[in-house]
Amino acid sequence: RKEVEQDPGPFNVPEGATVAFNCTYSNSASQSFFWYRQDCRKEPKLLMSVYSSGNEDGRFTAQLNRASQYISLLIRDSKLSDSATYLCVVTPNTGTASKLTFGTGTRLQVTL
Amino acid sequence: NAGVTQTPKFQVLKTGQSMTLQCAQDMNHEYMSWYRQDPGMGLRLIHYSVGAGITDQGEVPNGYNVSRSTTEDFPLRLLSAAPSQTSVYFCASSSSGGRTDTQYFGPGTRLTVL
Repeated sequence: RKEVEQDPGPFNVPEGATVAFNCTYSNSASQSFFWYRQDCRKEPKLLMSVYSSGNEDGRFTAQLNRASQYISLLIRDSKLSDSATYLCVVTPNTGTASKLTFGTGTRLQVTL
Repeated sequence: NAGVTQTPKFQVLKTGQSMTLQCAQDMNHEYMSWYRQDPGMGLRLIHYSVGAGITDQGEVPNGYNVSRSTTEDFPLRLLSAAPSQTSVYFCASSSSGGRTDTQYFGPGTRLTVL
């Protein structure tokens, strides 16, 4: 079983739609969680960190469910510019960023 | 600030050739790392450094060497290229390598080994 699992998609949604992605992780001791965004043939960029209490940044909401070991990303009012691959990233409870574990990503395509 | 820069953007090698992928950052970050990204797989850590003069192996270090003589630069050397090393390589840096630090990635190097 992969340490971090994501549905690869693609998720095809019309502009203005709400879309949600989930990501599951296998290490119950994981401590830090992130969503990164990667545009086609570009480098990953941090979208947002995920906190236990959940957090929101504009149209984006991230949530963590430790009991079920998954994190989610909700995008409201999708824009064409949201089309990208969204990477789930998890770190353990010890060590440094050397132990970042990336999911394979979920591809989102927003259409007119 | 230029952030994290990588050269070259593209490279084609023949099996057995050696080469160095360059990475530099101008943010005075202590922590630097190299990842490879292959289809159907997440980014995988090759080597990392927590400061000048200090390097360590990541998840997939075989066939690669690194050194960190300055804070700014972290080159990745392929000793004898193999087709299995065909991949996209990303260099990343963060201020201290802490679990909550943001990783800043370079634009990547697309390597093909024939």
